[in-house]
Amino acid sequence: AQSVTQLGSHVSVSEGALVLLRCNYSSSVPPYLFWYVQYPNQGLQLLLKYTSAATLVKGINGFEAEFKKSETSFHLTKPSAHMSDAAEYFCAVSDPGYSSASKIIFGSGTRLSIRP
Amino acid sequence: GAVVSQHPSWVICKSGTSVKIECRSLDFQATTMFWYRQFPKQSLMLMATSNEGSKATYEQGVEKDKFLINHASLTLSTLTVTSAHPEDSSFYICSARSNRESWALNTEAFFGQGTRLTVV
Repeated sequence: AQSVTQLGSHVSVSEGALVLLRCNYSSSVPPYLFWYVQYPNQGLQLLLKYTSAATLVKGINGFEAEFKKSETSFHLTKPSAHMSDAAEYFCAVSDPGYSSASKIIFGSGTRLSIRP
Repeated sequence: GAVVSQHPSWVICKSGTSVKIECRSLDFQATTMFWYRQFPKQSLMLMATSNEGSKATYEQGVEKDKFLINHASLTLSTLTVTSAHPEDSSFYICSARSNRESWALNTEAFFGQGTRLTVV
């Protein structure tokens, strides 16, 4: 079964500092990987996705993530944090390709706080 | 872009009544829809997967008779919480995928804005 583990339920950084949110996956085949952001009482917005093309994926709002097969990781980074980045971030995994059985399984989430 | 609309955004109901939540894909055909439940400060827990025109597949531990899911068309799925109790209070989120659109659309799921259910 596929799974993702997010290290750190809460990360706090200063405005302008590097953001690093960690995600490790477990899958028997190279998966699709996603990062989503959730603001309070709202649904999820896709930040970026890895679908077996380029290993370095650039997303919206200045975020990017790198797929490292040897480390089974897909960490999310942003060079300079902004106050508006404060939110809950979820890493997720899915089977590669598409089939009706392709569920998206979420990690436990990391709450990002930004200090002024 | 692909848009999923979920309605209502919040609902309060009395214990023992039933509540229906709608999830619509506005600009694409959703061949598969997923329903999630999210407790405060926790992750999304997959409840069930539904394919258009067939019965939903429920995750282990989710009561089929409690959470009725219908996916009668390619743009609409509904979740009905029957005989709701306070412990059913939660944030419910739907998402939709399609295998009929462009490849770019096929690789991800699109999420509704969620429904906050409070049972009193």
